Amino acid sequence: DAEITQSPRHKITETGRQVTLACHQTWNHNNMFWYRQDLGHGLRLIHYSYGVHDTNKGEVSDGYSVSRSNTEDLPLTLESAASSQTSVYFCASSESSGPLRRGTEAFFGQGTRLTVV
Amino acid sequence: GQSLEQPSEVTAVEGAIVQINCTYQTSGFYGLSWYQQHDGGAPTFLSYNALDGLEETGRFSSFLSRSDSYGYLLLQELQMKDSASYFCAVRVNSGGYQKVTFGIGTKLQVIP
Repeated sequence: DAEITQSPRHKITETGRQVTLACHQTWNHNNMFWYRQDLGHGLRLIHYSYGVHDTNKGEVSDGYSVSRSNTEDLPLTLESAASSQTSVYFCASSESSGPLRRGTEAFFGQGTRLTVV
Repeated sequence: GQSLEQPSEVTAVEGAIVQINCTYQTSGFYGLSWYQQHDGGAPTFLSYNALDGLEETGRFSSFLSRSDSYGYLLLQELQMKDSASYFCAVRVNSGGYQKVTFGIGTKLQVIP
């Protein structure tokens, strides 16, 4: 079965370190997204990609970067981790489609809980 | 940009019906989705409305009024396992592509 997996599931890192969170999907979806989830803020979009070599900034992109070298993977890098980046991170993917089609939902990974100390 | 409003918490009794509302302000609107998330889990898709009206999937129904920028999720015959957070999300046109923005979520507590 197709799936989307994130690793690691839990990570503790120190302030200032570079951290990379992995996201791998086997749906063959063109669209991939990274969100962070914090109490009172819901899911906020960090970066997204509509295909290989395409990346775009979301609403909370400062301090984060992504790269898309193939369809399956969209790793998220925290260049210099800060305590404000302690959060749960979700990766999601969806297929490209027109606006009136069903089945355009996003499929989410299980999340990565990141703690920056 | 986009903004969505939904209640932060709702409590309902097992077996009852509950409605979770969502209002949105956005441009390039394509459709409204609903996701369920249990504590510690990942959001999972429930429903998607692109056109006005009601979509029914088992105990869950979702409604959209594009003219009112309003939608709701209706849960019938509530079960204890329905206790979760429910997110509405707008799908919008962003530079020719689609982007999804989520609300802050409504925490539903089902009580016996």
